[in-house]
Amino acid sequence: DAKTTQPNSMESNEEEPVHLPCNHSTISGTDYIHWYRQLPSQGPEYVIHGLTSNVNNRMASLAIAEDRKSSTLILHRATLRDAAVYYCILIPTQGAQKLVFGQGTRLTINP
Amino acid sequence: ETGVTQTPRHLVMGMTNKKSLKCEQHLGHNAMYWYKQSAKKPLELMFVYSLEERVENNSVPSRFSPECPNSSHLFLHLHTLQPEDSALYLCASSQGYRGLYEQYFGPGTRLTVT
Repeated sequence: DAKTTQPNSMESNEEEPVHLPCNHSTISGTDYIHWYRQLPSQGPEYVIHGLTSNVNNRMASLAIAEDRKSSTLILHRATLRDAAVYYCILIPTQGAQKLVFGQGTRLTINP
Repeated sequence: ETGVTQTPRHLVMGMTNKKSLKCEQHLGHNAMYWYKQSAKKPLELMFVYSLEERVENNSVPSRFSPECPNSSHLFLHLHTLQPEDSALYLCASSQGYRGLYEQYFGPGTRLTVT
């Protein structure tokens, strides 16, 4: 099962950009890269996902390396509400859904 | 109601009890999921349903029994649970159950087994 590796924690300042890295060296060609975040006492919230090309939405941008072995979630202007645990996971388009959520990155935003 | 709702939000049960968790999605999705989130452990996928058919069962003990009567409702029936089953149980839904589709999660049911 393809796994992802993320730093345990990161810290940034309010209104600054944040780059959250994720390594997935065993990704297969049909795995989508998904990002979710979880605030305390809440269920995870979808952030963004992509396959090969970089993606943008109202919440964030996703930059995917050319070899797809790593990706970066970019929050362009962090706010205090962005403080959460961010999970990068691989979800296949074929085969069993052996989804593996890692420990995620705990993002702290300083005012 | 919008999104994905789960009831109850909190549940305390003894090891000999039988209880059920309910999930309802108001998004018109075709796939639904049960996840378990234990303290200090990663989120674990338990079951996946697509168009009311179970498509994944990730080695979950038989004391957890899912049921999907229609594409909007998902249940998790619990019986003779163990204290280590205490966790946050999360339901999610998506338009389809492959990687193309994002998942939307409910708030979870906090289960305590005594």
